[in-house]
Amino acid sequence: AQSVAQPEDQVNVAEGNPLTVKCTYSVSGNPYLFWYVQYPNRGLQFLLKYITGDNLVKGSYGFEAEFNKSQTSFHLKKPSALVSDSALYFCAVRDDSPGGYNKLIFGAGTRLAVHP
Amino acid sequence: DGGITQSPKYLFRKEGQNVTLSCEQNLNHDAMYWYRQDPGQGLRLIYYSQIVNDFQKGDIAEGYSVSREKKESFPLTVTSAQKNPTAFYLCASSRDVGDTQYFGPGTRLTVL
Repeated sequence: AQSVAQPEDQVNVAEGNPLTVKCTYSVSGNPYLFWYVQYPNRGLQFLLKYITGDNLVKGSYGFEAEFNKSQTSFHLKKPSALVSDSALYFCAVRDDSPGGYNKLIFGAGTRLAVHP
Repeated sequence: DGGITQSPKYLFRKEGQNVTLSCEQNLNHDAMYWYRQDPGQGLRLIYYSQIVNDFQKGDIAEGYSVSREKKESFPLTVTSAQKNPTAFYLCASSRDVGDTQYFGPGTRLTVL
């Protein structure tokens, strides 16, 4: 079955330190992977996606994600965290299974807290 | 939140009432979606539409209905059959199903 998992409910990091938000996936074919961010009482904002090509994908607001096929992971990273990065982050994978109709499957979300 | 609008931002409903949530997009996208978000449960797909005059049930369609009479609009009706409708509702659109989805600002529905 197609799935995506975010193993951490919350990640805490000090401002200025690097951050990583983890995501693992399971798909039958080539993965299409996405990261979104949600601020309180707002809709989700698209950060970046991986379809094919370079394993390091650069996105909005200084975020990047590393695709690792052998580990079936797509972790979100940023070299230096800002307090304003504090939000809820969602990983998503395209469901390419029969009957999945290429819909996106979202993870449960990881809350990132960046402390001054 | 791009070119997707949702209204109202907050909605209060009495038990037994149907309510309709509006979603409009000016991105010329073919596909549109409705999600429900509850604390700690991420996003769950209610309905989606690949094209005008067509829509499909998602994972939690019971108690909800939709229509797609125009490309720009995908209203969601929460019926009295929905037992626990209090939640944050998000609408999204994409060029095609499987493409990057862009989200509206959401509607918070509370049942009194």
